Amino acid sequence: GESVGLHLPTLSVQEGDNSIINCAYSNSASDYFIWYKQESGKGPQFIIDIRSNMDKRQGQRVTVLLNKTVKHLSLQIAATQPGDSAVYFCAERGSGAGSYQLTFGKGTKLSVIP
Amino acid sequence: NAGVTQTPKFQVLKTGQSMTLQCAQDMNHNSMYWYRQDPGMGLRLIYYSASEGTTDKGEVPNGYNVSRLNKREFSLRLESAAPSQTSVYFCASSEGQGAYEQYFGPGTRLTVT
Repeated sequence: GESVGLHLPTLSVQEGDNSIINCAYSNSASDYFIWYKQESGKGPQFIIDIRSNMDKRQGQRVTVLLNKTVKHLSLQIAATQPGDSAVYFCAERGSGAGSYQLTFGKGTKLSVIP
Repeated sequence: NAGVTQTPKFQVLKTGQSMTLQCAQDMNHNSMYWYRQDPGMGLRLIYYSASEGTTDKGEVPNGYNVSRLNKREFSLRLESAAPSQTSVYFCASSEGQGAYEQYFGPGTRLTVT
């Protein structure tokens, strides 16, 4: 889930297990959502996105689920690997005016235990 | 194809000094963005440029100015640095107005003493 204050929530997962990272978004008018992965010392890297007219989208080893009723987004990573260790951010894009802007969550740190 | 590049990678400034962070993209993208990232926080938008010749304020523009020099380059200027501007700065670009996926550079780590 999203963090409060300066401490990121951390998810520790055994290598090979599935990971689920959650995100609560704020704007019910947001029409697009995106997950980014950020490794230490690097810029965010796109993982997967989903539009508001969908409730599920799958990529390679990743699935994003969108529940608009409760404004909740989740990222599922199958067969988690050590290279998946990173901070994961969700972001939402509002529709209409200001729609160039992505609003980012505070992130969740995923640690994979070998 | 280098994507989004940023210079410098690291910088230390004294309070009151000025500097410009440079960003360039080679993907022929129309829109470019500057974010800052503070420990334990998500990225916050400082300024963006929806297309060449336009710039707009984001969530945290105070203390910064930007210039969209041409389609490739978007610079961020700190006129009088303050310790509160110690942060990691990321530049990003996206294909067009209203386009969705943003591509990020590697970041500039700035410390103001």
